[in-house]
Amino acid sequence: EAGVAQSPRYKIIEKRQSVAFWCNPISGHATLYWYQQILGQGPKLLIQFQNNGVVDDSQLPKDRFSAERLKGVDSTLKIQPAKLEDSAVYLCASSTAGLAPSEQYFGPGTRLTVT
Amino acid sequence: KNEVEQSPQNLTAQEGEFITINCSYSVGISALHWLQQHPGGGIVSLFMLSSGKKKHGRLIATINIQEKHSSLHITASHPRDSAVYICAVRGGGSNYKLTFGKGTLLTVNP
Repeated sequence: EAGVAQSPRYKIIEKRQSVAFWCNPISGHATLYWYQQILGQGPKLLIQFQNNGVVDDSQLPKDRFSAERLKGVDSTLKIQPAKLEDSAVYLCASSTAGLAPSEQYFGPGTRLTVT
Repeated sequence: KNEVEQSPQNLTAQEGEFITINCSYSVGISALHWLQQHPGGGIVSLFMLSSGKKKHGRLIATINIQEKHSSLHITASHPRDSAVYICAVRGGGSNYKLTFGKGTLLTVNP
């Protein structure tokens, strides 16, 4: 079974530029998560999708971050414009269900450096 | 105060030693996850548990719901066990989000 795929793996941009990350979850997984992990901290949930609907985006900085999952499969996370404090690893995860406890499968992450 | 507290933050051990990493949480939960993260790598789920004890190879996870505490044990530690171990709890009821601890950096020296 293929795992969660993410691209790119690394990205370096200057502040005020825009960037987009892509995630392809495990086939058949209805729930997709985007996390931000700042160095030395645990991941923080940015947004959770159930199929193509948003379940939780309460911690997404909506003035600069946006995410979509148009067909209920792949997802993109965009930052526009980027700030220095956005430097982090962006993790995508997927699971089979949103309301019942289930294991989350994580992708390798995208390491973003904003200079 | 973080809802999920892990201890220790850093742990250095010699190969073969028995390792214990602790996790305490302050909210009601429906499940607790132990995750492993290697440097520069993604996160791998080790255990998901809501009661009792689970074992997988040299890894053992226990949880005490009444005391809101969980432990991850590694027997006969090996340098390849070196990684960050993260505890995450899933809320109860309609609060399904995972809340993560900051992680414990384990270094096992040969």
